[in-house]
Amino acid sequence: ETGVTQTPRHLVMGMTNKKSLKCEQHLGHNAMYWYKQSAKKPLELMFVYSLEERVENNSVPSRFSPECPNSSHLFLHLHTLQPEDSALYLCASSQVGQWDTGELFFGEGSRLTVL
Amino acid sequence: AQSVTQLGSHVSVSEGALVLLRCNYSSSVPPYLFWYVQYPNQGLQLLLKYTSAATLVKGINGFEAEFKKSETSFHLTKPSAHMSDAAEYFCAVSDQYTNAGKSTFGDGTTLTVKP
Repeated sequence: ETGVTQTPRHLVMGMTNKKSLKCEQHLGHNAMYWYKQSAKKPLELMFVYSLEERVENNSVPSRFSPECPNSSHLFLHLHTLQPEDSALYLCASSQVGQWDTGELFFGEGSRLTVL
Repeated sequence: AQSVTQLGSHVSVSEGALVLLRCNYSSSVPPYLFWYVQYPNQGLQLLLKYTSAATLVKGINGFEAEFKKSETSFHLTKPSAHMSDAAEYFCAVSDQYTNAGKSTFGDGTTLTVKP
């Protein structure tokens, strides 16, 4: 495996379900991110884990819960979602600190549909 | 605070014609600037980046961009469009003083290439 991998690639869930999105990076980076990409809306940064510090976007509803057990793995736990949460969820990683060039490496995304 | 404006949400060119995608930025500190490309059902991939070295930056797939501080612009060009260039293109800005991975993205420009 190389780069940033996301699973599942597609997920359909009901509003009462609980599911999780998984992201794994094989690049040795020390920061990971969740972005939300909705149709006709700008890319939205949801959560950042950088050097083991979590930074949140305060506008993200609590029905989205991130987890970062180590620098290579990132999860997004989903519960009681709404249809408007249907979107492409993108995971990214980067190297912050001394060798930081600001470049983000993205996974292929998890396409979420909430019924 | 930083911001990015991409002029034109849709650009259509003929195969073999010049591609010009416009990006203007706002930043209170020296910026890092990026162009990413997203093909259908995929994540974003870095095309090129400017991090305060040469102002004319060459990227993958024959694309290049020029950083013009006086115009606060970072337009993306390619001399001759290929059908395979059809995709969505995102301009992004960050800087070296904050977590440079927290890029601010533009709304994106969809490039269509006509045969």
